[in-house]
Amino acid sequence: KQEVTQIPAALSVPEGENLVLNCSFTDSAIYNLQWFRQDPGKGLTSLLLIQSSQREQTSGRLNASLDKSSGRSTLYIAASQPGDSATYLCAVSRTTGNQFYFGTGTSLTVIP
Amino acid sequence: GAVVSQHPSWVICKSGTSVKIECRSLDFQATTMFWYRQFPKQSLMLMATSNEGSKATYEQGVEKDKFLINHASLTLSTLTVTSAHPEDSSFYICSAGQGTRGYTFGSGTRLTVV
Repeated sequence: KQEVTQIPAALSVPEGENLVLNCSFTDSAIYNLQWFRQDPGKGLTSLLLIQSSQREQTSGRLNASLDKSSGRSTLYIAASQPGDSATYLCAVSRTTGNQFYFGTGTSLTVIP
Repeated sequence: GAVVSQHPSWVICKSGTSVKIECRSLDFQATTMFWYRQFPKQSLMLMATSNEGSKATYEQGVEKDKFLINHASLTLSTLTVTSAHPEDSSFYICSAGQGTRGYTFGSGTRLTVV
């Protein structure tokens, strides 16, 4: 069974700092990997989607990489802002591309 | 872009009653939708796969008689928590996908059973 792990579980950084969130998965037979943001008590906001054939995706200050063979992905956030404070989840989909396995998340706090 | 609407966003119900949660794809058709559950301080866990026009597929450990799923149209799936108990209190969220275009999640439903 696919297991997804995210490190660190919590992270607190001063505003303006660059940071990296890590995600690892045990089964490399994935269809895609997606990074989400979850605000307290709210649903999920999709940040970046990486297909299994891709190495990275970028959107604004966010960059996600994927190394499928080693079962790892990173989410890089540049010039962090207090508004980035949230829980970040990574999820990998099965080979059919439909169902997701979620990591336990990284709770990020950006201090003004 | 793809929008998934989930209703209600929160609900409080008495123990023993049933609660229905709706998940709608607003601007696309979804033959398959997914229901997840998130307990406090835990990650989301897939409960079941909802297939339009056929029976839902449940993950191991999820009681199909307790969590009734109906996917009667290409834009609507419903999850009914029957005879709810306090241990069913959780955050329920649905998702619908468009293949390689990714998957959109609803805003979630916070269920509290008292």
